[in-house]
Amino acid sequence: EDQVTQSPEALRLQEGESSSLNCSYTVSGLRGLFWYRQDPGKGPEFLFTLYSAGEEKEKERLKATLTKKESFLHITAPKPEDSATYLCAVQVRNQGGKLIFGQGTELSVKP
Amino acid sequence: GAVVSQHPSRVICKSGTSVKIECRSLDFQATTMFWYRQFPKQSLMLMATSNEGSKATYEQGVEKDKFLINHASLTLSTLTVTSAHPEDSSFYICSAPPWNLRTGTTGGYTFGSGTRLTVV
Repeated sequence: EDQVTQSPEALRLQEGESSSLNCSYTVSGLRGLFWYRQDPGKGPEFLFTLYSAGEEKEKERLKATLTKKESFLHITAPKPEDSATYLCAVQVRNQGGKLIFGQGTELSVKP
Repeated sequence: GAVVSQHPSRVICKSGTSVKIECRSLDFQATTMFWYRQFPKQSLMLMATSNEGSKATYEQGVEKDKFLINHASLTLSTLTVTSAHPEDSSFYICSAPPWNLRTGTTGGYTFGSGTRLTVV
């Protein structure tokens, strides 16, 4: 069964304290892995798409990496405005384009 | 970039009534729309996939007669929660697959802003 697991469920950081979020996946065939940010009461906001092992993408303080079994979202010197829930999702081949989401990591950055 | 407009953002309805949620693609044509529901502190669970001009495909365990999905045009998909009950209270979100104005593909799926449904 296709499955996506994120850890930790919650992460509290001090401003400037770098860390990483993990997304482990077990799927029959990966077409793409997506990272989203979701603020309370809002829809997910797109961050990155990764397609193959070894791929990396960066945006401001965020960097996403991908291996054959997991993805990491590295947050460098976070700021309070980075506080949100970060969602990982995979698109599986031959599944009509639908996404399977992990349960998310709730990040809180304190000043 | 691609924008999906979702309305209403919040709705409170009485038990037994029906509620319609709309998702419009503003600057592109969405032949497919995915509908999710999200409970507090939980992730997104796919309910169904709508395709313009054909019947929606529902995920296992989702009641087709309760959650009516219509994709009547290339820019509009609707979800109607019929005979709503308190257990239907949730956050409903729509999403369109990657689309790019120039190349036809983008990096990410575009999500609506969500609808908070409360059934009293």
